[in-house]
Amino acid sequence: NAGVMQNPRHLVRRRGQEARLRCSPMKGHSHVYWYRQLPEEGLKFMVYLQKENIIDESGMPKERFSAEFPKEGPSILRIQQVVRGDSAAYFCASSRQYQETQYFGPGTRLLVL
Amino acid sequence: GDSVTQMEGPVTLSEEAFLTINCTYTATGYPSLFWYVQYPGEGLQLLLKATKADDKGSNKGFEATYRKETTSFHLEKGSVQVSDSAVYFCAPFTGNQFYFGTGTSLTVIP
Repeated sequence: NAGVMQNPRHLVRRRGQEARLRCSPMKGHSHVYWYRQLPEEGLKFMVYLQKENIIDESGMPKERFSAEFPKEGPSILRIQQVVRGDSAAYFCASSRQYQETQYFGPGTRLLVL
Repeated sequence: GDSVTQMEGPVTLSEEAFLTINCTYTATGYPSLFWYVQYPGEGLQLLLKATKADDKGSNKGFEATYRKETTSFHLEKGSVQVSDSAVYFCAPFTGNQFYFGTGTSLTVIP
């Protein structure tokens, strides 16, 4: 059973460009979570999604950030008009049911030049 | 709000030494408690967990006991190996999310 897949593993963008990060949950998992890890810090929760629904986006910045988890395909975290402060590692996790153990992907490391 | 305080690193130990990484938390509810480990360049891996008071989680020689009275979940290992070198995160889980500590970097030298 493959683990949580994230791509790309590394992404370089210039200020003002858009960044799209993809996450494929483990097979059988319908709950997806996104976290951000800034340099020298722990992970901070961003958003929790189920198929086609955003359940909790309390950790998402109010502007430029959006997330979706369509019926088919991976979950997408989208950052519009990136700024240098968006440079971080973005981790996706999935779980089979609500409040069950979350399994993490390897992360996407975003660098904004 | 909910939060976690984790022992600051970096921690450097010799192989076979005893390891303790302290973790205390504040939570409005009754969290489940987790330790995750992150190896260089990788994502987080679940190390162990405990879901109720006095439960002991254990894995790969690591242990942690859910202490509700002291709101703590300290990680211990009796004899560390070089391969244990990584960053360790304590993480209470309540509601929909984990509250991660800043992580404790452990380096084990031969």
